[in-house]
Amino acid sequence: DVKVTQSSRYLVKRTGEKVFLECVQDMDHENMFWYRQDPGLGLRLIYFSYDVKMKEKGDIPEGYSVSREKKERFSLILESASTNQTSMYLCASRPSGTSGNEQFFGPGTRLTVL
Amino acid sequence: GEDVEQSLFLSVREGDSSVINCTYTDSSSTYLYWYKQEPGAGLQLLTYIFSNMDMKQDQRLTVLLNKKDKHLSLRIADTQTGDSAIYFCAEKKGGSYIPTFGRGTSLIVHP
Repeated sequence: DVKVTQSSRYLVKRTGEKVFLECVQDMDHENMFWYRQDPGLGLRLIYFSYDVKMKEKGDIPEGYSVSREKKERFSLILESASTNQTSMYLCASRPSGTSGNEQFFGPGTRLTVL
Repeated sequence: GEDVEQSLFLSVREGDSSVINCTYTDSSSTYLYWYKQEPGAGLQLLTYIFSNMDMKQDQRLTVLLNKKDKHLSLRIADTQTGDSAIYFCAEKKGGSYIPTFGRGTSLIVHP
């Protein structure tokens, strides 16, 4: 059974803290993605990685960075968390290539920044 | 305007059919998807259709594609309370890694 796991389901941090969100997939997928989901706004792409050590900015990369040192792991980093980064964060992965392969999603991390 | 548009809410009675609609703007979209998100969970692929198809049926689910109007719909027959979720429409071009998602339609099923 395919699996994308995220390190925390719920996280509470303070403004200015450095925050790490971890995502691990066990499907040997090349492509991995970070989205944030906000009510009424749907999913917005923050960053994606099409292979190890490769990364591309998505639609809303400001305030975020990412790291992909190993194929199975894709980390999202909030260098200095702010209250407007309170959101649900979803990680996804898919096999390589531009065919119709679906994305597999993790359960999400609900981050609250106080 | 948005690339993929969906209405935000749909309310139906248990046992009725639900129809969730989606419009997209890019005529070069090759793959069209419906994902389901249950409360507190990530998204799961429900079904997908290639742009050279008009219809796809999978048990209680029927997907209709009108390429001329760039309109996609998902029909759920005999809707159950377990179908209550957010449904996301997404489209992807053949040469891209990245799908574009709509904002999601919250389906509420009441007795």
